[in-house]
Amino acid sequence: GQQVMQIPQYQHVQEGEDFTTYCNSSTTLSNIQWYKQRPGGHPVFLIQLVKSGEVKKQKRLTFQFGEAKKNSSLHITATQTTDVGTYFCAGTNAGKSTFGDGTTLTVKP
Amino acid sequence: NAGVTQTPKFQVLKTGQSMTLQCAQDMNHNSMYWYRQDPGMGLRLIYYSASEGTTDKGEVPNGYNVSRLNKREFSLRLESAAPSQTSVYFCASTRTVLSGANVLTFGAGSRLTVL
Repeated sequence: GQQVMQIPQYQHVQEGEDFTTYCNSSTTLSNIQWYKQRPGGHPVFLIQLVKSGEVKKQKRLTFQFGEAKKNSSLHITATQTTDVGTYFCAGTNAGKSTFGDGTTLTVKP
Repeated sequence: NAGVTQTPKFQVLKTGQSMTLQCAQDMNHNSMYWYRQDPGMGLRLIYYSASEGTTDKGEVPNGYNVSRLNKREFSLRLESAAPSQTSVYFCASTRTVLSGANVLTFGAGSRLTVL
């Protein structure tokens, strides 16, 4: 079945440093979504990428979808303590979404 | 606008006991899902309901049953709870945007401990 791998599992940064998480799928995706889960909270939708090579920005967050539509990345510039949490990608193929295991970000003030 | 509401938020069971997790959404979504989340792991799909009257197995359906009671409500039942079912359970529903991809709206979660 479809597998979605996400790396790294954990990332610890100093406030102000950049952060990147990567998502790789075993199959070509029709779209990919990114979610953020704050500690003790529930996943909240951030963004969806649909087109090959697509790049979207939300303030300090930059999302990319690979040319082959099998990988994606989320980059945060100049992290803040409010960025802490777990970031999940979810790849959709044939109408079914598969979540990666997430990258947990901690930010030291 | 409540979104997706799950009850209960916390539950402790003994091995072999049964219980039902309730989920209701008020967004007029067609599709509803039950996921479980274990420490250090992502979200694994237990069951889903693409529309009222239909249910399908996800990745990890063993030990669970579901009922799509109506368009708003989707319940998850554990008939004989086992310690391996200790987890956080999330209900979600979907709206369709753009190319038809499903954006999930999650409930706050139900933390279940089986002793």
